[in-house]
Amino acid sequence: DTGVSQNPRHKITKRGQNVTFRCDPISEHNRLYWYRQTLGQGPEFLTYFQNEAQLEKSRLLSDRFSAERPKGSFSTLEIQRTEQGDSAMYLCASRKAVSLYGYTFGSGTRLTVV
Amino acid sequence: DAKTTQPNSMESNEEEPVHLPCNHSTISGTDYIHWYRQLPSQGPEYVIHGLTSNVNNRMASLAIAEDRKSSTLILHRATLRDAAVYYCILSKETSGSRLTFGEGTQLTVNP
Repeated sequence: DTGVSQNPRHKITKRGQNVTFRCDPISEHNRLYWYRQTLGQGPEFLTYFQNEAQLEKSRLLSDRFSAERPKGSFSTLEIQRTEQGDSAMYLCASRKAVSLYGYTFGSGTRLTVV
Repeated sequence: DAKTTQPNSMESNEEEPVHLPCNHSTISGTDYIHWYRQLPSQGPEYVIHGLTSNVNNRMASLAIAEDRKSSTLILHRATLRDAAVYYCILSKETSGSRLTFGEGTQLTVNP
């Protein structure tokens, strides 16, 4: 399977704990995106990378959130001091910078903060 | 980003064509029209995109109005597996930095 892989699929954490999610994009895709989706809403953009450079961050990405893509391959999204409002599906997508085709999304990580 | 307007929900019968409308009256000349769909418990999936001319691929057809202020995604023969939320999105370029999703149209396909 050469799709976008996200781990874990589900994460339950207590409020105040830190969590980290991982995304492995399609290998030849140099752009990687993070989105967040709450129930009944469309995905909301968080941030994106071109290779290892983080090129854009949404205002939704508070200082408790940090994303990295150290070698331009996989990426991690960390949430520090989780709050109940952080409960959502976190989606990763990748694509080539110049492409006739769309983004390829992973199946997401479902975070529940209790 | 220019906004799109879609109906909240639509229903279709299996093996019948489905026409999903999208209004984008504030579209600019450089906006591409993208369609994605999201099945339950999955990430969004690319369906089709276009700029001015109608487009066809193995999944669907995209009909774009002459003034580009509206478009229609056409599924030629709906199957139960086509039941999903369909998103119509405008993006400045095919290699755009991000997608701005609305709430989409929930398509129900009846057997």
